[in-house]
Amino acid sequence: GIQVEQSPPDLILQEGANSTLRCNFSDSVNNLQWFHQNPWGQLINLFYIPSGTKQNGRLSATTVATERYSLLYISSSQTTDSGVYFCAVTMTTDSWGKLQFGAGTQVVVTP
Amino acid sequence: NAGVTQTPKFQVLKTGQSMTLQCAQDMNHEYMSWYRQDPGMGLRLIHYSVGAGITDQGEVPNGYNVSRSTTEDFPLRLLSAAPSQTSVYFCASSYSRRGNQPQHFGDGTRLSIL
Repeated sequence: GIQVEQSPPDLILQEGANSTLRCNFSDSVNNLQWFHQNPWGQLINLFYIPSGTKQNGRLSATTVATERYSLLYISSSQTTDSGVYFCAVTMTTDSWGKLQFGAGTQVVVTP
Repeated sequence: NAGVTQTPKFQVLKTGQSMTLQCAQDMNHEYMSWYRQDPGMGLRLIHYSVGAGITDQGEVPNGYNVSRSTTEDFPLRLLSAAPSQTSVYFCASSYSRRGNQPQHFGDGTRLSIL
């Protein structure tokens, strides 16, 4: 099956700092989503981004499908950005869009 | 819209007991799925459904059963609970039956098997 690797595994930021999270995948995909799991365990869909660039407030994401990676940018981080960020993909050959998750990046934003 | 609603939020079972985790969505989504999340890991797909009456297995289906009699509901049944099934269970839904649209998650069910 497809391998999804996220880096770094852990990230500690001071409030106001910028950061970049990376997601590498081992095969062709037609679906890539970024999720934030907050400290209460809720999973929030941040981006559906199989290719290109999207922005939502202080967050933005870029997927370069031909080079098999995606980046999530957090600018001017806030303590509410703490949590785990997951990348999930679907292989192009999968007819039914099953998501394969990476192990996540744990982000801690300190005041 | 309530989105994706999971019940119960917490449950403790004894080994060998059976139970059903409920999942309902009010967004008329065709695609629904169940995942489990274990400590330090990402989510793994248990079962999924692309519409009423159509279900299929995911990555870790053993010990679980599903059915989809309506578009709104997608219950997950544990047939005979085992300690290895202690986990957090998430239900998700998506507009497209191919799943290649944003997936929306419920708040999860925390299940402990003693």
